[in-house]
Amino acid sequence: EIVMTQSPATLSVSPGDRATLSCKASQSVSDNLAWYQQRPGQPPRLLIYEASTRATGVPARFSGSESGTEFTLSISSLQSEDFVVYFCQQYNNWPPTFGGGTRVEIK
Amino acid sequence: QVQLQESGPGLVKPSQTLSLTCTVSGGSVTSGSFYWSWIRQHPGKGLEWIGYIYSTGSIDYNPSLKTRVTISVDTSKNQFSLKMNSVTAADTAVYFCARGANVLFLASWGQGTLVTVSS
Repeated sequence: EIVMTQSPATLSVSPGDRATLSCKASQSVSDNLAWYQQRPGQPPRLLIYEASTRATGVPARFSGSESGTEFTLSISSLQSEDFVVYFCQQYNNWPPTFGGGTRVEIK
Repeated sequence: QVQLQESGPGLVKPSQTLSLTCTVSGGSVTSGSFYWSWIRQHPGKGLEWIGYIYSTGSIDYNPSLKTRVTISVDTSKNQFSLKMNSVTAADTAVYFCARGANVLFLASWGQGTLVTVSS
């Protein structure tokens, strides 16, 4: 199965600053990559699919990009509600696999 | 707006069978092109896709769990279900049901239910 590696495990950022989260696939997944946000006690919320397409209702401060097997989620101007956990997921191959997550914490 | 809700026992004894049901409202489990899926999350850890049943009835399972898992659908109740046999403490997790449209990313999720395997 494809292994998704997220870095860093924890990212410390000041409110209002930009956060850049990374996700690397062990092999090509084309652009079949999604990003989710998960708040404590809640299910994941889809943010991005097809590597860079925002899901319905997702604020424009969230953006995704790709370069080969490396994917990036950027959050511009972090708001208080953004300090939670983010997961990437590939859906190019079965089974779909998730990264281990990046926790964004207040610096 | 589709809604999903998991239900089932929160405590299962080792070696027994875990059984969960996902009740769907706001959409039919047999219409459209949807992957009705089960995902689990071990405490404080990442996510693992267990399997899905497609709107047409086709099913696939994660190879790591394939020998222990069965997913089925009850169209009369608009529900789909998960059974996992021979559970151990390693199966303790929050279990989510979710829906993917056309492809295997998940836009709609249930709230999740914690299942603890313990004697």
